[in-house]
Amino acid sequence: GQSLEQPSEVTAVEGAIVQINCTYQTSGFYGLSWYQQHDGGAPTFLSYNALDGLEETGRFSSFLSRSDSYGYLLLQELQMKDSASYFCAVSPGYSSASKIIFGSGTRLSIRP
Amino acid sequence: DVKVTQSSRYLVKRTGEKVFLECVQDMDHENMFWYRQDPGLGLRLIYFSYDVKMKEKGDIPEGYSVSREKKERFSLILESASTNQTSMYLCASSNREGAYEQYFGPGTRLTVT
Repeated sequence: GQSLEQPSEVTAVEGAIVQINCTYQTSGFYGLSWYQQHDGGAPTFLSYNALDGLEETGRFSSFLSRSDSYGYLLLQELQMKDSASYFCAVSPGYSSASKIIFGSGTRLSIRP
Repeated sequence: DVKVTQSSRYLVKRTGEKVFLECVQDMDHENMFWYRQDPGLGLRLIYFSYDVKMKEKGDIPEGYSVSREKKERFSLILESASTNQTSMYLCASSNREGAYEQYFGPGTRLTVT
């Protein structure tokens, strides 16, 4: 079957760095995306990796290793507003018509 | 800014009722999606559409149908609501492939009693 695995909860301290991992098992692979969702809110797109390596967007970076079927989201200089759930998502196919699989989400709690 | 709107934030229906959830996007996106979100299960794809009048089943289409008569509007239909369809329903749209840069609506929390 197809699956994504990510930790259910992570706790970190304000100002620190945290890494949220995502491993996937899919029949194909087109790209790995990350979304953030605050309680009561809608998911918002953070980043996308189609090729191996690191993509940086401000305090957030995302990494992909296709050979290891693994990626992570790195959050630096953590702020209280970063407390949210983070989802990785994989597109197994190679077109817009392919199904999309989301992980079950990682709840990030930030302590002062 | 892309805007995706859903017809209701909260909805309470009775078992056996027919339920319509509407989603409208204002950015001329080709692709639209319906997900349900349940605690511990993440987002699960119900149906998606990559063009007007086109639809594809996602991972959990049973008990649902969809309609896309206009590019900006994608409707989710529960033919006969059941209690196990109590959930948060999220609509999304995108002009990108797969899971890349989807824009989500605020969600509809549906309770079936």
